[in-house]
Amino acid sequence: SQQGEEDPQALSIQEGENATMNCSYKTSINNLQWYRQNSGRGLVHLILIRSNEREKHSGRLRVTLDTSKKSSSLLITASRAADTASYFCATGETSGSRLTFGEGTQLTVNP
Amino acid sequence: GAGVSQSPRYKVAKRGQDVALRCDPISGHVSLFWYQQALGQGPEFLTYFQNEAQLDKSGLPSDRFFAERPEGSVSTLKIQRTQQEDSAVYLCASSSNYRDQPQHFGDGTRLSIL
Repeated sequence: SQQGEEDPQALSIQEGENATMNCSYKTSINNLQWYRQNSGRGLVHLILIRSNEREKHSGRLRVTLDTSKKSSSLLITASRAADTASYFCATGETSGSRLTFGEGTQLTVNP
Repeated sequence: GAGVSQSPRYKVAKRGQDVALRCDPISGHVSLFWYQQALGQGPEFLTYFQNEAQLDKSGLPSDRFFAERPEGSVSTLKIQRTQQEDSAVYLCASSSNYRDQPQHFGDGTRLSIL
């Protein structure tokens, strides 16, 4: 079963704009991770944020985590056409190592 | 370096046939995971190995699904007496530690049951 809910389900923006995707989850977590998936390919890890962290940056990516609201956001700045993909949040639960994924956001960046 | 490799990339089988899907994890990775991804959905956990030990198989949908990793490296996911609802992409991932580490995914096997 899916733990996370992501919104929006789909997002279409112009190159150069910022893209923000949100994720909510239900149970206690050890960490939250964001992955990207191009059509027909596997998932690529983008960034991991631990439950005791509030914000993390990696290049053009910025992730926030609010454990009191059980939510996270992924911001991609200065988007490029090559950023077009599906983006998934996944939670690592305190009780084990499996990842529980949301349903994803389909991002389209128009050149 | 080599990533996670899965084979075959595509598999078509008739309902009732048995299938076997292979995963070669990144060398030295202790943890190995199998996920099932339906079209337009996020991956769903199936099972987890630490070395050769299957520590969690709670996500396997039925007793027709069986996974093994006998030498703590290559893993095989077997589905017996396949049914149409088994059609999905099966993803394998490996990681270097038990928790708080990213998982590295293969490109998956797309299984179609006719």
